[in-house]
Amino acid sequence: SQTIHQWPATLVQPVGSPLSLECTVEGTSNPNLYWYRQAAGRGLQLLFYSVGIGQISSEVPQNLSASRPQDRQFILSSKKLLLSDSGFYLCAWNFGRGPANEKLFFGSGTQLSVL
Amino acid sequence: GNSVTQMEGPVTLSEEAFLTINCTYTATGYPSLFWYVQYPGEGLQLLLKATKADDKGSNKGFEATYRKETTSFHLEKGSVQVSDSAVYFCAWAGGTGRRALTFGSGTRLQVQP
Repeated sequence: SQTIHQWPATLVQPVGSPLSLECTVEGTSNPNLYWYRQAAGRGLQLLFYSVGIGQISSEVPQNLSASRPQDRQFILSSKKLLLSDSGFYLCAWNFGRGPANEKLFFGSGTQLSVL
Repeated sequence: GNSVTQMEGPVTLSEEAFLTINCTYTATGYPSLFWYVQYPGEGLQLLLKATKADDKGSNKGFEATYRKETTSFHLEKGSVQVSDSAVYFCAWAGGTGRRALTFGSGTRLQVQP
């Protein structure tokens, strides 16, 4: 069976510090991978998605970046965090060969607080 | 542009009350429509989906019908329980060349005993 791991669960970082959130998927190959952000009082915002190694699509211009160094690894990074980067970050995946309506499987999320 | 609009929360109901959470979409073509649920402290999980007009998705007593004529996908449940307290997200998929879901802003449901 497939599982998705996301860490850390919570993170408190000062403004201007770097960020690295990691997500890995097990039990499948060539998944589509996604990073979403859920800001307080707001809905889910798609940040990045990837259909393959090294292939990253950015949805919203910002000071965040994503990388996919391996097939089942998706990393969200920032060189200098802003206060507005605070939020709940969710990694997700679905089957790469499926139709675009294939269901998403979400990780348990990372609560990031930038102070 | 393409979007999903859902009713603002929180929605507060007593146990066994009838639930409706409205969702309307704006999209070209024929998107697939979804409801996801996020229980406290957890990630999102798929609740139900419908892939074409007039389809009815159902799961755990929840239902939603894909209404193309009104571009709606309202979530309903006849008798809610305290354990249904969560945030519910409407979403659609099917944008050209884009394999990602577009989510609404979420509606928090609080069910009181």
